[in-house]
Amino acid sequence: GAGVSQSPSNKVTEKGKDVELRCDPISGHTALYWYRQSLGQGLEFLIYFQGNSAPDKSGLPSDRFSAERTGGSVSTLTIQRTQQEDSAVYLCASSLATGENTEAFFGQGTRLTVV
Amino acid sequence: RKEVEQDPGPFNVPEGATVAFNCTYSNSASQSFFWYRQDCRKEPKLLMSVYSSGNEDGRFTAQLNRASQYISLLIRDSKLSDSATYLCVVLDSGGYQKVTFGIGTKLQVIP
Repeated sequence: GAGVSQSPSNKVTEKGKDVELRCDPISGHTALYWYRQSLGQGLEFLIYFQGNSAPDKSGLPSDRFSAERTGGSVSTLTIQRTQQEDSAVYLCASSLATGENTEAFFGQGTRLTVV
Repeated sequence: RKEVEQDPGPFNVPEGATVAFNCTYSNSASQSFFWYRQDCRKEPKLLMSVYSSGNEDGRFTAQLNRASQYISLLIRDSKLSDSATYLCVVLDSGGYQKVTFGIGTKLQVIP
């Protein structure tokens, strides 16, 4: 596709259930980022991938959160035993990461609601 | 200290006003800098890159001060449509070229 694609666009889940969020980056983009944004708040960094490896996982809020990336392309963010405070928009971005003027392109996000 | 710091605002300015935002970054080896714009309930999108010599795009001017480690965005003749959150973005150099976003500064242009 032409842009970063995220699925699902909306997800409502019950507290305690596991959820998987998917990100399809722009083809050829080696860098991939996950952020989350609560209503009216700024972007909270979660994890950064360079290829299939994650050199920076410092933003994952707890061990209930994990992410993987396979084939240097699709990434999945998994949240286990969801809690109400996990409710937010989860944004994925990708970039070429080749040097100056490296624009990061965002997907439209997955709105997660834990009830 | 946060890697990228911004005043979250909100900045409430009248139409036609000039408004400026600053952003500071902690890594002196940071390589590239950008301003992104995020509209309410939308994803962030690139507004402009920030070049060492400063650059202008219509009513928008971006400047970089490496010595003091800050970048700025100046908006002249504010329009209602400029109301949004402006995110400062820094690309780190080195083996892993990580993009770091600031929390964003909210601008509300008032009629």
